[in-house]
Amino acid sequence: AQSVTQPDIHITVSEGASLELRCNYSYGATPYLFWYVQSPGQGLQLLLKYFSGDTLVQGIKGFEAEFKRSQSSFNLRKPSVHWSDAAEYFCAVGAAASGSARQLTFGSGTQLTVLP
Amino acid sequence: DTEVTQTPKHLVMGMTNKKSLKCEQHMGHRAMYWYKQKAKKPPELMFVYSYEKLSINESVPSRFSPECPNSSLLNLHLHALQPEDSALYLCASSQVGRGGHSPLHFGNGTRLTVT
Repeated sequence: AQSVTQPDIHITVSEGASLELRCNYSYGATPYLFWYVQSPGQGLQLLLKYFSGDTLVQGIKGFEAEFKRSQSSFNLRKPSVHWSDAAEYFCAVGAAASGSARQLTFGSGTQLTVLP
Repeated sequence: DTEVTQTPKHLVMGMTNKKSLKCEQHMGHRAMYWYKQKAKKPPELMFVYSYEKLSINESVPSRFSPECPNSSLLNLHLHALQPEDSALYLCASSQVGRGGHSPLHFGNGTRLTVT
């Protein structure tokens, strides 16, 4: 069975500082990996995804993530955080469900607070 | 703007009420999903529809009844709910096939309160 661990429940950074959110996964085959962001009272917005190929993937809003198979990690990074980045961030690993629909397993999330 | 539309945004219902949540997408996706999310927790999968047929039911109580009347619509019928069912209910859609490369697209959810 697949699983995802986000070790940091809450991270606080100052505006303009760099950010790294950690994600470790467990999956038997080549994983499909995703990062989603959720603002209060909103749904989940896809930031980026990894399926294969280049291990450094670029996403929206200036985010990037690096897939490291040897460390079973898929950490999310941003060089300079903006106050609007304050939100909950979820890492997820996906497997093909019945009929090739997507079945996601989410990590527990990391709450990001941005200080002015 | 989200491409998956959920209505209503908020719903308050009593334990004896019957209500329905609605989800609509026009991206041509043939997989649709219901997730339940409690505060400060990740979403939990409830149901998966693939080509309008129920393919996964994650042991959800029968007081939740999903329905997929066509490829664009997904409903969740609610009956005799309990206060612990209060949560944010998220709908999502994705393509199927293509080696499963399609990410899920989420709606903004329905905030349900059971009194």
